[in-house]
Amino acid sequence: DAGVTQSPTHLIKTRGQQVTLRCSPKSGHDTVSWYQQALGQGPQFIFQYYEEEERQRGNFPDRFSGHQFPNYSSELNVNALLLGDSALYLCASSLEQGRETQYFGPGTRLLVL
Amino acid sequence: AQTVTQSQPEMSVQEAETVTLSCTYDTSESDYYLFWYKQPPSRQMILVIRQEAYKQQNATENRFSVNFQKAAKSFSLKISDSQLGDAAMYFCAWMNSGGSNYKLTFGKGTLLTVNP
Repeated sequence: DAGVTQSPTHLIKTRGQQVTLRCSPKSGHDTVSWYQQALGQGPQFIFQYYEEEERQRGNFPDRFSGHQFPNYSSELNVNALLLGDSALYLCASSLEQGRETQYFGPGTRLLVL
Repeated sequence: AQTVTQSQPEMSVQEAETVTLSCTYDTSESDYYLFWYKQPPSRQMILVIRQEAYKQQNATENRFSVNFQKAAKSFSLKISDSQLGDAAMYFCAWMNSGGSNYKLTFGKGTLLTVNP
């Protein structure tokens, strides 16, 4: 049973660029959440996708956007990158029924120079 | 807004001993979930234990148990017979169980070192 997978594992970008991160949920899961984890901090909720729509959003600017595909996989896009966007980006999947149990992927480490 | 506070940035324990990690939270909600997640150097966040607020009985998973004090809004994690593999960052997290809230709110974490 494949767990949550994310790609790429590491990424280096420069300020002003755009980045796309990808997530495949655990087999059978239909809900994907994205979190940003700055160095030395706990993860912060960015948004959650269910039925291909953004269902809830955290306190992040519109530069952060996402998408969920019919196969439940998801993308996180960040435009106009800032140095402060450097972080570990975690994807978590869950079932709509049982959403309290979220399974995390290994994350994508983004460095903005 | 809900907040989760972990007052111990770092803790250490000798192998085979017991350690307790502290967590307090602030919420006006009555129904919610509390979690402890473990994040080893590999970065993968792993669910250790979960507690439903409506349950008075403390959750237990093998060597891991919690002390849930709802009135005090306290949720500590006890690790018994500590093993080298328990060394990791531990995060306490909260989630509302009702309404349309689906997000986890995390504390800043406690780094646990296990000494051989």
